[in-house]
Amino acid sequence: EVQLVESGGGLVQPGGSLRLSCAASGFTFSDYNIHWVRQPPGKGLVWVSRINSDGATTMYADSVKGRSTISRDNAKNTVYLQMNSLRAEDTAIYYCARGIAGDPVAFDIWGLGTMVTVSS
Amino acid sequence: QSALTQPASVSGSPGQSITISCTGTNSDIGSYYYVSWYHHQLGKAPKLMIYDINKRPSGVSHRFSGSKSGDTASLTISGLQAEDEADYYCCSYAGSSTYVVFGGGTKLTVL
Repeated sequence: EVQLVESGGGLVQPGGSLRLSCAASGFTFSDYNIHWVRQPPGKGLVWVSRINSDGATTMYADSVKGRSTISRDNAKNTVYLQMNSLRAEDTAIYYCARGIAGDPVAFDIWGLGTMVTVSS
Repeated sequence: QSALTQPASVSGSPGQSITISCTGTNSDIGSYYYVSWYHHQLGKAPKLMIYDINKRPSGVSHRFSGSKSGDTASLTISGLQAEDEADYYCCSYAGSSTYVVFGGGTKLTVL
């Protein structure tokens, strides 16, 4: 079965750090770009970051640029999102999603998400 | 405030058709053919319904269709069914700097 499973979320204090993981199975992981998208409580989806299939290029939303790093290990079929200097506004469900080849906004497989809560 | 503007809610009766609009600018929807739509129910993974303005992924019903005119994209659902009730989000490419923008979401209620 083709699937993505997020993990690593939790409660963290403002200024703290978390590393989210996205584990893939059921497809050739190294062929696909992977994105992170988040959903703050009661709000809509917001794109966060993208890494291309071989990990050579990355993109970030302005809201996380300089505080977050996306990376991948194709041998482990896993993408990571390292988040530092966390703020209350980073509180959200974080989803990882697979990008359709050649299309920057078509995400055909999503995980169920992992919840990040930033609070003292 | 989201980059793309969607109505907060729409509703329709079973069997009817509804259209959800998604208004952007000439920096996103107006300049590219990369517009997608997602169906999302609380506690579940979002689902891709339309991509490249009007293409349906395998397995998505023909009742779902997409279009674009100028800076506005639209999702039309015909023959409404109870299982269509969900939040719907539009998404557009916005160039190499901003990259991806979503709409604020539209809650569809099937009466």
